Amino acid sequence: EPEVTQTPSHQVTQMGQEVILRCVPISNHLYFYWYRQILGQKVEFLVSFYNNEISEKSEIFDDQFSVERPDGSNFTLKIRSTKLEDSAMYFCAGSGTNSDTQYFGPGTRLTVL
Amino acid sequence: QKEVEQNSGPLSVPEGAIASLNCTYSDRVSQSFFWYRQYSGKSPELIMSIYSNGDKEDGRFTAQLNKASQYVSLLIRDSQPSDSATYLCAVNRGGTNAGKSTFGDGTTLTVKP
Repeated sequence: EPEVTQTPSHQVTQMGQEVILRCVPISNHLYFYWYRQILGQKVEFLVSFYNNEISEKSEIFDDQFSVERPDGSNFTLKIRSTKLEDSAMYFCAGSGTNSDTQYFGPGTRLTVL
Repeated sequence: QKEVEQNSGPLSVPEGAIASLNCTYSDRVSQSFFWYRQYSGKSPELIMSIYSNGDKEDGRFTAQLNKASQYVSLLIRDSQPSDSATYLCAVNRGGTNAGKSTFGDGTTLTVKP
């Protein structure tokens, strides 16, 4: 059964550094998402991506964040200048339609020191 | 009012009992409803999706949806210790929406042997 994969599983970085989180969605999915979950809190929507552009973004997804699907398979989330409060689990997800089930990757744990 | 509200936990049931998890949502145009299971430190794993009013059964799991009451529930029959996890209710507007899913805070279930 196809799965969403994410790398790295754990990223430790210094405050102010740039990080890129990578995801390989399921190949026949068309909609892609990033969510985050701060420890002990709920899963929060960051951004959705369809047809090579952002469809919707949350208030969390400010100018420090960007997404890209550079080669038709990888889907990346970049944080330009990390802050302590960016420490969280970041989940990539994908779906076939915008109302269909979203399948989540295993997540990247980002720790900002 | 929270967009998606789940019954506060933790919920504890003995092995073999029925566990009942509840969720209400505020957006009346919501079209897709999902129950995910999340083990500590892991990503959400889909348990059930439901789109129409009524019941949907899959093995030991039954999802119930009542759009008029803006209510969705999950029943777990013959609960097993392996069902011990946090259960997340997620709601999606579908339609022209970009596919953002809004999650509740989760209900932590413990099944005692």
